[in-house]
Amino acid sequence: NAGVTQTPKFQVLKTGQSMTLQCAQDMNHEYMSWYRQDPGMGLRLIHYSVGAGITDQGEVPNGYNVSRSTTEDFPLRLLSAAPSQTSVYFCASSYDFGGEETQYFGPGTRLLVL
Amino acid sequence: AQSVSQHNHHVILSEAASLELGCNYSYGGTVNLFWYVQYPGQHLQLLLKYFSGDPLVKGIKGFEAEFIKSKFSFNLRKPSVQWSDTAEYFCAVNVNTGFQKLVFGTGTRLLVSP
Repeated sequence: NAGVTQTPKFQVLKTGQSMTLQCAQDMNHEYMSWYRQDPGMGLRLIHYSVGAGITDQGEVPNGYNVSRSTTEDFPLRLLSAAPSQTSVYFCASSYDFGGEETQYFGPGTRLLVL
Repeated sequence: AQSVSQHNHHVILSEAASLELGCNYSYGGTVNLFWYVQYPGQHLQLLLKYFSGDPLVKGIKGFEAEFIKSKFSFNLRKPSVQWSDTAEYFCAVNVNTGFQKLVFGTGTRLLVSP
């Protein structure tokens, strides 16, 4: 299993540009989520999905869209990039096993918005 | 809103020293608790987790943590650190039923000198 994969690893955008961060998992996990990691702030939940076709907002959803058309993929779209979206983005997947759920994180995408 | 505090932002230790990283959370109900580690340039990996039962939890690489409900704490410990333990450590809490909505602390950077 490749686990959770993310592309690209690095990206530089200009303010106002749009882009999609890709996330895929091959573990057949029902849950997927996106976090951003900023210095001194830990990780914060952007959006999450509990299954194909079902998404919801996390703590910091503004400026981001998601969709979940398949179990495997959970792309994150930046509609109009802003410098405040400069961050490291982590995708995670998880499943509920007997009431215990563990999230597995991808390698991250480093995004710089100029 | 729930919050997680990690009071030690930077810790420097010599090899073989003992480690204790503090983690306190603010929530009075049932919680699931986690410690994640992020080695330089790598993604987050789960060190250990607590859902219920024995409040002393053992994880990978010789780490352990103790859940003290009365103190709202989940401190991470290791009796003797190694240079390879140099990393950033994150405490996380979930209070949500169903999908985990993890709330992360701001992280503690540990540097172990040989």
